[in-house]
Order: sequence, then C-alpha cells, then structure tokens
Amino acid sequence: EIVLTQSPATLSLSPGERATLSCRASQTVSSYLAWYQQKPGQALRLLIYDASKRATGIPARFSGSGSGTDFTLTISSLEPEDFAVYYCQQRNNWPPLTFGGGTKVEIK
Amino acid sequence: EVQLVESGGGLVQPGGSLRLSCAASGFTFSSHSMNWVRQAPGKGLEWISYTSITSAIIYYADSVRGRFTISRDNAKNSLYLQMNSLRAEDTALYFCVRDSTQWPYYFDYWGQGTLVTVSS
Repeated sequence: EIVLTQSPATLSLSPGERATLSCRASQTVSSYLAWYQQKPGQALRLLIYDASKRATGIPARFSGSGSGTDFTLTISSLEPEDFAVYYCQQRNNWPPLTFGGGTKVEIK
Repeated sequence: EVQLVESGGGLVQPGGSLRLSCAASGFTFSSHSMNWVRQAPGKGLEWISYTSITSAIIYYADSVRGRFTISRDNAKNSLYLQMNSLRAEDTALYFCVRDSTQWPYYFDYWGQGTLVTVSS
C-alpha cells in the first residue's frame, strides 16, 4: 500500500499570501497524483490531476508540481474562499486508493 | 449539472446492517466507474470500494472486505453499498464518488455524503 504523507498538518496564512503544501509518497506514484479541496458543507472538489493539470474551472492561482514521490500544491495568492482542507491522492498503484492525511489552510 | 445524492445513512447498532444509495443525475452514469469513500468524524478520507462500469471489476479496502458489498444499477442511475456486521469504527460520512472517464480515473465529482453512526 502506498502511504501519502502531507505536511504541514496546518498552515496559518493571511489572504494574499502564498501557500505551499507538500505530499510525499512512500514509493513512486509517477505523476498519477491528484489534489482535492474540502470545505465544510460542500462537496469535495478536484483541483489538480496528473500532478500538475488543473481541473475544469479551477483558478490559475492553484498549481501543482512534482513526480515520483514528492509533490507540491501551490496557491499563489490566497483568496478568502481558499481556506479549507486539502488532500492528495494517488492513482498509480491500487487497490487500495490512498489519500494523504490532509493539510488545513487556516486564516492567520 | 452533475449530481450525486447519497441516502440511507442513520444510527445502527453494532453488528447491524445498512444499505446506502447514491442517485446520480446530470451525466451518463453507465459511462463512469464509481466509488465509495468515507470520512470518520474529524478524520481524513478513506477509500472503501470501487466498481467498474459493468460491475465486472470490484475492489474493497481491507477494512471492509467481506462485510460491505458495492453494487450498481445502470438502468436506475444508482450506486449502492450494502453494509453488514457494522462496527463502531465504521461510523463516518460516506461519499459517493464518480471517476473521470480518462485513465487513470481521478475522482472528478463527489456527493455531499450520508452519515452512518454505529452505536448502541
């Protein structure tokens, strides 16, 4: 089973700041990694797939990078609606499909 | 508009059973593989089951294999999860999740979930 480790667990930032979230895999997942956003009371949303491709309708301030075992989600300038929990997920080697433990981006 | 609406959650005693349903609309259900993902209160996401388009391929997480059964009815645009021998650790919000049509099939749409509470 591929274990995904996200860091930090919590990121405290102000609107307008840059957010950098990390996801590390226990073994290579090639580029088959996605990022999801979860906000209270809303359905989860796919942000990034194949490590760096933005999903439909996702603003350009969201970007993904990495391959192999190390991945990064960057939000270039935080908007108020970006404060949420973010999960990475791999689809290279499954079952099981696995998620990281999540990073909460909170308002400082 | 793609919609996935889960139902069937509730309070059940340990050892009991529950059947979750997911009503899909706004897309061609029979063109997408589907999944169930759960989230225990205050915890992260856990994938629990997958079914291919025709149900020919089905997978389960170890935590539910032998107790849960995924199924689908393409004529009714519906996904199901039969949950037996429920345990306290099965308490969670259960999401119905659609796979994209392009390999490697990411989770492109999620329902809002139905809450299952296992407690005496």
